[in-house]
Amino acid sequence: DIQMTQSSSYLSVSLGGRVTITCKASDHINNWLAWYQQKPGNAPRLLISGATSLETGVPSRFSGSGSGKDYTLSITSLQTEDVATYYCQQYWSTPFTFGAGTKLELK
Amino acid sequence: QVQLKESGPGLVAPSQSLSITCTVSGFSLTGYGVNWVRQPPGKGLEWLGMIWGDGNTDYHSALQSRLSISKDNSKSQVFLKMNSLQTDDTARYYCARDDVRRGMDYWGQGTSVTVSS
Repeated sequence: DIQMTQSSSYLSVSLGGRVTITCKASDHINNWLAWYQQKPGNAPRLLISGATSLETGVPSRFSGSGSGKDYTLSITSLQTEDVATYYCQQYWSTPFTFGAGTKLELK
Repeated sequence: QVQLKESGPGLVAPSQSLSITCTVSGFSLTGYGVNWVRQPPGKGLEWLGMIWGDGNTDYHSALQSRLSISKDNSKSQVFLKMNSLQTDDTARYYCARDDVRRGMDYWGQGTSVTVSS
């Protein structure tokens, strides 16, 4: 099974600031990497697929990058509504696997 | 529009089995797979398994002996069955549509399952 490691469980962030969330796969996943946003009480929302493709309706302050085993989700000009937990997930091979999540908290 | 909705029992006794139905609309189950994902209270997401459009299934490695996923294309329903439930199976259970190239693009609101006597 491919393990997904998000290096930070929590990140303390400032409104208007830039945030970078990292995700590392235990094997190459060829950019078959999705990022999800989850707010309390809500289902996860797909933000980015294919490591870099922004889903329709997702603000352009979100971006994804990476290749091979290492991937990053970036948020510029952080807004209040971006405070949430973010998960990476590989869909290169089953069993699909999620990272443990990174929760953003306001400073 | 695409919608998924889970329905489950809410409360299950330890050692009993769990059955959850995911009813979908806005797409065909022959054209898309459906994933099952769960989330224990205050914890992260765990992929349980999926059923592909052709009816093939894949399961979480450690849970596959307890899991069964099936579907009824004509009724637009996908079924999750899990046996021998324990308290650590308490979670919110989600179904999510699978887009092969994009991951899980639409999710249900989830159904909460508590394992307790």
